[in-house]
Amino acid sequence: GAVVSQHPSRVICKSGTSVKIECRSLDFQATTMFWYRQFPKQSLMLMATSNEGSKATYEQGVEKDKFLINHASLTLSTLTVTSAHPEDSSFYICSARERGGYGYTFGSGTRLTVV
Amino acid sequence: AQSVTQLGSHVSVSEGALVLLRCNYSSSVPPYLFWYVQYPNQGLQLLLKYTSAATLVKGINGFEAEFKKSETSFHLTKPSAHMSDAAEYFCAVSDAGANSKLTFGKGITLSVRP
Repeated sequence: GAVVSQHPSRVICKSGTSVKIECRSLDFQATTMFWYRQFPKQSLMLMATSNEGSKATYEQGVEKDKFLINHASLTLSTLTVTSAHPEDSSFYICSARERGGYGYTFGSGTRLTVV
Repeated sequence: AQSVTQLGSHVSVSEGALVLLRCNYSSSVPPYLFWYVQYPNQGLQLLLKYTSAATLVKGINGFEAEFKKSETSFHLTKPSAHMSDAAEYFCAVSDAGANSKLTFGKGITLSVRP
């Protein structure tokens, strides 16, 4: 079945630095990628939607200059958390959808801790 | 607009007992409905999905769900719980649009007692 590889699984960074999270679709073309944030014991909050070769569409309240999303190819999307602060510490998950497909394939998530 | 309601935050069952996790949806268009399971510090794994075919959907690990339009429900069931079923379960809704996004319920924690 469809697989999305997300890396890194865990990252600890210092406040003020930037962190890049990658999601790769291994056996299909991800025309649409979704990025979520999840706080402990809570549901997934959609941050942004990106289509290959286009600018991402951010949800209300999500800072586009802080959470940079790149979807330059049909198999790779990246989320860069710029100038990270402790309040950015969270679990970030990507999800990919294939053109014409009904399903959403999730990555395994990235636990970001900003110290 | 679409939404999902998962009543309660925690369900506890004994091993071997019936599992019933409730999900009600709201959608102005024919919905696609999904159940996902999440284990600690992991992504979401698809259990099953309804995409306008058969209303009784069978998924992995013995789970199934029935789409009931009249009740706007898509409850998840499993006849006999295993210890390994303990996890977080999310119901989600989308539509058929090419860029349609998933709208999640708040999730339910399932505990299984020995």
